[in-house]
Amino acid sequence: QPVLTQSSSASASLGSSVKLTCTLSSGHSSYIIAWHQQQPGKAPRYLMKLEGSGSYNKGSGVPDRFSGSSSGADRYLTISNLQFEDEADYYCETWDSNTWVFGGGTKLTVL
Amino acid sequence: QVQLVESGGGVVQPGGSLRLSCAASGFTFSSYGMHWVRQAPGKGLEWVAFIRYDGSNKYYADSVKGRFTISRDNSKNTLYLQMNSLRAEDTAVYYCAKPDFTMIVVEWGQGTLVTVSS
Repeated sequence: QPVLTQSSSASASLGSSVKLTCTLSSGHSSYIIAWHQQQPGKAPRYLMKLEGSGSYNKGSGVPDRFSGSSSGADRYLTISNLQFEDEADYYCETWDSNTWVFGGGTKLTVL
Repeated sequence: QVQLVESGGGVVQPGGSLRLSCAASGFTFSSYGMHWVRQAPGKGLEWVAFIRYDGSNKYYADSVKGRFTISRDNSKNTLYLQMNSLRAEDTAVYYCAKPDFTMIVVEWGQGTLVTVSS
């Protein structure tokens, strides 16, 4: 089954941009993933679905500041014009053969 | 809009049992498979179980296989998770989650906390 690898932490300044990475394990580079955001003390929220082609489909109400892209086995979440409310944990998710997996999550700090 | 409301969490002793429920609304429940996902305190998300739209097939994470049972009642728009032989490491917030037709999770409930402790 696929393994998703994420950096444990990232930080960026208010108003700047940040690019978070989720890397698919060998043999799974074509897989679709999802990005989810979890603000402190809240349930996760679906942000977008992202294909290997770089095409993405955002959830309802997700701001335009959030976008996705892909390169090989890497899936990216870019947040532009960072706001304090973007400070959260970000998880990627995929599935294969009736098993679902999440990455370890990236904790984003907005400075 | 889609609403997923979990209930049934609480404190239970090791070796005990608990049944979680998830009341669904805002979509045709009987047309979608459903997940349970959990999150231990201070940890990441862990997929627990999935059930197909009609209950015909069920899949489990190795960590809960043989102890947990996922089920559904489409007449009541409700998802269940029966948890037996509970261990301290099962302590977590349990979320029910709805996928879309690509099987990716696109909706989350607010979660219910299960604490396994003596």
